[in-house]
Amino acid sequence: EIVLTQSPASLSLSPGERATLSCRASQSISNNLAWFQQKPGQAPRLLIYDASNRATGIPGRFRGSGSGTDFTLTISSLEPEDFAVYYCQQRSDWLTFGQGTRLEIK
Amino acid sequence: QITVKESGPTLVKPRQTLTLTCTVSGFSLSTTGVGVGWIRQPPGKALEWLTLIYWDDDKHYSPSLKRRLSVTKDSSKNQVVLVMTNMEPVDTATYYCAVSIPETMAWGQGILVAVSS
Repeated sequence: EIVLTQSPASLSLSPGERATLSCRASQSISNNLAWFQQKPGQAPRLLIYDASNRATGIPGRFRGSGSGTDFTLTISSLEPEDFAVYYCQQRSDWLTFGQGTRLEIK
Repeated sequence: QITVKESGPTLVKPRQTLTLTCTVSGFSLSTTGVGVGWIRQPPGKALEWLTLIYWDDDKHYSPSLKRRLSVTKDSSKNQVVLVMTNMEPVDTATYYCAVSIPETMAWGQGILVAVSS
């Protein structure tokens, strides 16, 4: 089973700042990685697929990068609505999620 | 606009079988490339994929749960049904249905299922 490790577990930033979230796979998954955003009481929302492609309707401040085992989600300038939990998910071997990074307002 | 809705019991007893239905409107599940998945999330915990069924009836299951899972699709009703046997308290979670189409996913609001006697 491919294990995804997300870091940091939580991140405290202010609106307007840049957020950098990491996801590391236990073995190479090529570019088979997606990022999701989940707000309290809501279903997850797909942000990025295939490591770097923004999903339909996702603002340009969200950028995904990486391949192989190391991936990054960058939010260039945080908006108030961006504070949420972020999950990475691989589809190279079945489908598994990381444990999430909680992005909090400082 | 695609809408996805989960339905089923919100409380089941230990060792019972859970049956959940996902109803999709605004998009045909027979469309080439479409997949429908079930994902669950225990309270305060991370997400876990359970099963995925494609437009052509190709089915995939979580390796750790496959003995307990079954998924079927009724294209005429645009529905997908999940069956999970031998439910236990650790299976208490919000169960989500999600439709995967090119460049996006549409999720239901989820249904919280508690397992308790």
